[in-house]
Amino acid sequence: DAGVIQSPRHEVTEMGQEVTLRCKPISGHDYLFWYRQTMMRGLELLIYFNNNVPIDDSGMPEDRFSAKMPNASFSTLKIQPSEPRDSAVYFCASSLNRASSYNEQFFGPGTRLTVL
Amino acid sequence: GDSVTQMEGPVTLSEEAFLTINCTYTATGYPSLFWYVQYPGEGLQLLLKATKADDKGSNKGFEATYRKETTSFHLEKGSVQVSDSAVYFCALSVDTGRRALTFGSGTRLQVQP
Repeated sequence: DAGVIQSPRHEVTEMGQEVTLRCKPISGHDYLFWYRQTMMRGLELLIYFNNNVPIDDSGMPEDRFSAKMPNASFSTLKIQPSEPRDSAVYFCASSLNRASSYNEQFFGPGTRLTVL
Repeated sequence: GDSVTQMEGPVTLSEEAFLTINCTYTATGYPSLFWYVQYPGEGLQLLLKATKADDKGSNKGFEATYRKETTSFHLEKGSVQVSDSAVYFCALSVDTGRRALTFGSGTRLQVQP
């Protein structure tokens, strides 16, 4: 398996523009997570899905952020409009819904977002 | 709520030195414990895990023992290499139905030749 795939790897945009980050989880995984990593706040959970359904979005900073999972193999995280304080590395992760997995999560390489 | 506390970094060591990175936790249930490692420019990778008290997770020369009595899961390695330079995250997951991991703030390790 190719692992969790994220695109783009790097994104530079201007304040006010819409940004869409993409994630393809590992095939067969039931859970998908979006995290944000910054120097100031460390690694934060934004939202996670189970079987394509959002379960917990309490970490989404504000209404400018939205996430969707239209099918088991694809998810998007959208920021509209983007602001400089959104600059961060965004990670996608996936995991199995098996008791034996003990919630081990597999991370993608991340998307480094810079908002000018 | 659940939380993980790690020692502040950076930790700077010479090659072949002994490494300890402290991790303590608070949890509402009975957690599974993890150490993840992040190499420069990459995503997080699972390094090791332990799912019950007194279990010892090990991988690539790293070890950590699940200590329920002290709520700790300290990471150790007997002889570090330059290639071990990375950020290390301690994390927990509680089997309450919420599948998300709770991460510590991360500890940066720098190993000098």
